Amino acid sequence: DAKTTQPPSMDCAEGRAANLPCNHSTISGNEYVYWYRQIHSQGPQYIIHGLKNNETNEMASLIITEDRKSSTLILPHATLRDTAVYYCIVLDAGGTSYGKLTFGQGTILTVHP
Amino acid sequence: GAGVSQSPSNKVTEKGKDVELRCDPISGHTALYWYRQRLGQGLEFLIYFQGNSAPDKSGLPSDRFSAERTGESVSTLTIQRTQQEDSAVYLCASSLMGAPGYTFGSGTRLTVV
Repeated sequence: DAKTTQPPSMDCAEGRAANLPCNHSTISGNEYVYWYRQIHSQGPQYIIHGLKNNETNEMASLIITEDRKSSTLILPHATLRDTAVYYCIVLDAGGTSYGKLTFGQGTILTVHP
Repeated sequence: GAGVSQSPSNKVTEKGKDVELRCDPISGHTALYWYRQRLGQGLEFLIYFQGNSAPDKSGLPSDRFSAERTGESVSTLTIQRTQQEDSAVYLCASSLMGAPGYTFGSGTRLTVV
């Protein structure tokens, strides 16, 4: 699996957009980009995934660059409950969720009042 | 059930004892995964089940660790002769083919004293 690089930590003011970057410069054509988050003392939670098009759901938006070497997770209106570790993962599973997730260190997002 | 259920939620055991950790996946989910997370660390993959077979058990750290799954449902992770370095949160996740993302349980916190 391709590796990802994320900043170790980020801060965001409550109500503002949180933009979390991820570099995956060695991603291959059949690898998807997945985002999970882990709130303290809980199991990881799936957020969103994509292949090459931008994606949006009720939780977040995912912007993938045209060359697919990087992506940005956007939480449009961050709340205190969004404080968590955010993991960017590339997965060669055809989008079907088979295959193991390889978690890096992620980005610790702290949302301030 | 509505989510992935793990039991017990907390387990304290003496060094050298055997422990069994249980995972009840979401009904109908054919894939099941075990991960380990040591304090302050990222998630480490342990084993993956497809149905009742385990095509990828590459993450099991030693022969003291074993896992089984029966009825394409419940899975148990057994750790024999526990050591202090086995102390961690053990997380189980399940997924359904074609559905994006895994659903994780809340984990079992194992403390070896």
